Amino acid sequence: AQSVSQHNHHVILSEAASLELGCNYSYGGTVNLFWYVQYPGQHLQLLLKYFSGDPLVKGIKGFEAEFIKSKFSFNLRKPSVQWSDTAEYFCAVNSFGNEKLTFGTGTRLTIIP
Amino acid sequence: DTGVSQDPRHKITKRGQNVTFRCDPISEHNRLYWYRQTLGQGPEFLTYFQNEAQLEKSRLLSDRFSAERPKGSFSTLEIQRTEQGDSAMYLCASSPPGQGWSEQYFGPGTRLTVT
Repeated sequence: AQSVSQHNHHVILSEAASLELGCNYSYGGTVNLFWYVQYPGQHLQLLLKYFSGDPLVKGIKGFEAEFIKSKFSFNLRKPSVQWSDTAEYFCAVNSFGNEKLTFGTGTRLTIIP
Repeated sequence: DTGVSQDPRHKITKRGQNVTFRCDPISEHNRLYWYRQTLGQGPEFLTYFQNEAQLEKSRLLSDRFSAERPKGSFSTLEIQRTEQGDSAMYLCASSPPGQGWSEQYFGPGTRLTVT
């Protein structure tokens, strides 16, 4: 069975700080990887995804993530955060050909103006 | 149609009662998913429909849970004989037809509280 670990439960940063949120997954086969974001009072929405190819993927709002297969990791990064990035961030994985997503427990990000 | 809608948004019920939730996917999305999210956890997959066919159901799902999508459009999730452990946010998502994985668009969820 696949699983996802997000070790940072709550991260607090000042505006303009750089961000890196960790995500590790457990699965031996081919996977697709995702980061979803949930802004306060809003629905879950897709930030970015990795299927294949360039392991550095870019998403919306200046976010990017790097897939490192040897480390089973898919960390989310942003060079300079804004107050509007305050949200909960979920890493998710699905195995090739499988529809269901397996989510991590989420990281709550608080940006201090 | 601007997104996935779910009804009701909040439901409070007494233990032992049955509850039913509805999900309306984005128009022309033929794939529909139900997830459950408890406090401090990420969403957990419950079941998946392609059109009206229920193609996958989590082994974690109790027999008290049943989902339907009779005409391949909206879906309902019923919980019979609710227990306090059923208290959670129930999320619905839909995705468009196509080969391979397509982005799942999530609704606002139905928050269930069992007293």
